[in-house]
Amino acid sequence: EAQVTQNPRYLITVTGKKLTVTCSQNMNHEYMSWYRQDPGLGLRQIYYSMNVEVTDKGDVPEGYKVSRKEKRNFPLILESPSPNQTSLYFCASSLSTVNQPQHFGDGTRLSIL
Amino acid sequence: KQEVTQIPAALSVPEGENLVLNCSFTDSAIYNLQWFRQDPGKGLTSLLLIQSSQREQTSGRLNASLDKSSGRSTLYIAASQPGDSATYLCAVEGNRDDKIIFGKGTRLHILP
Repeated sequence: EAQVTQNPRYLITVTGKKLTVTCSQNMNHEYMSWYRQDPGLGLRQIYYSMNVEVTDKGDVPEGYKVSRKEKRNFPLILESPSPNQTSLYFCASSLSTVNQPQHFGDGTRLSIL
Repeated sequence: KQEVTQIPAALSVPEGENLVLNCSFTDSAIYNLQWFRQDPGKGLTSLLLIQSSQREQTSGRLNASLDKSSGRSTLYIAASQPGDSATYLCAVEGNRDDKIIFGKGTRLHILP
């Protein structure tokens, strides 16, 4: 089954403790992206990647890192999480960078205490 | 900087009615506009993608139009059903930077 898989689905942690949210897709998609969704602010793009070893900042990249060493994986890294990064995070992928529908994962709810 | 606005923020209509959701954007330099559906606690599902050279796309009871020059798109839902209740989001992909910008969504409730 074609899918985008995020792990974990839920995480409660403390300020400053490094964490990684994994994202994997099995559709051989080139484009992958991370978003956060907050009440009143909607979905905002954090980082995106147009292919292996190519990553670019979205609208809200501060406090996040990503890597794209393999085509299927696009982990989101919070080196020193802070409470303002408490949010619902989505990973998405599409076949190419242009004019292809995005497929979303089920989301990861992060709570930083 | 691209801004995407969706009006109304919420909408309740009786089952069976036809309805229109609106999306506007400030920068016409786009590759495409997508409409998504999000159910509570779930991820987003792509409904329709309109390329910048296209005027409309149709899928079943859904029809999306795009007027790039005026920065507007509409999603038309025919013969609404309770199962259409969800939040509908539009997003544009910029052709200057490949960034994707979302609107805040319209929360739709179809009354049985």
